[in-house]
Amino acid sequence: DVKVTQSSRYLVKRTGEKVFLECVQDMDHENMFWYRQDPGLGLRLIYFSYDVKMKEKGDIPEGYSVSREKKERFSLILESASTNQTSMYLCASSLNLNSLYNSPLHFGNGTRLTVT
Amino acid sequence: GQQVMQIPQYQHVQEGEDFTTYCNSSTTLSNIQWYKQRPGGHPVFLIQLVKSGEVKKQKRLTFQFGEAKKNSSLHITATQTTDVGTYFCAGPGTGFQKLVFGTGTRLLVSP
Repeated sequence: DVKVTQSSRYLVKRTGEKVFLECVQDMDHENMFWYRQDPGLGLRLIYFSYDVKMKEKGDIPEGYSVSREKKERFSLILESASTNQTSMYLCASSLNLNSLYNSPLHFGNGTRLTVT
Repeated sequence: GQQVMQIPQYQHVQEGEDFTTYCNSSTTLSNIQWYKQRPGGHPVFLIQLVKSGEVKKQKRLTFQFGEAKKNSSLHITATQTTDVGTYFCAGPGTGFQKLVFGTGTRLLVSP
């Protein structure tokens, strides 16, 4: 069974701090994703990666960057945390089907980040 | 950009009542997926639909993909308290292997 592990369940950071959110998957999936979830807004894609060292902007990349140095690990970086980045962050992975059809996403348990 | 809307945003039913959530896309979808997120949990994949007019069933859950492949629905017959959670639809976004999620429907079931 696929396991996607996020390093922290809860994080509290101060405005202006640099924040790292780590995600590791154990099923050799090519694709990895970072979403944020806010009430009434659903899940919004921040960044995704379809291969090592490859990254693509999602719908709301501003204020974030990512790193994928190894296939199993995808890191989300908040360069200078702000209060409007307080949210639930969800990492996910999936197989690359190389087709029109999307492979199901496997999510981690999420990191609830509070920026004060 | 592509938008996927879900209605209703929230529904509260008595146990045993039926429930339906609707998903509408601004563009034609090659496929659509449904996820369930229990309170305090993470989204879990339920099913994928790929054909126009396709209907799939999982026990009390019935999933339908519209003929024009721009809408979908999830119907739960005789809800149980274990059905509580938020249901999301998701369709392909522009670009490679992206998924765009709907806004979700939160279901509350009272015993």
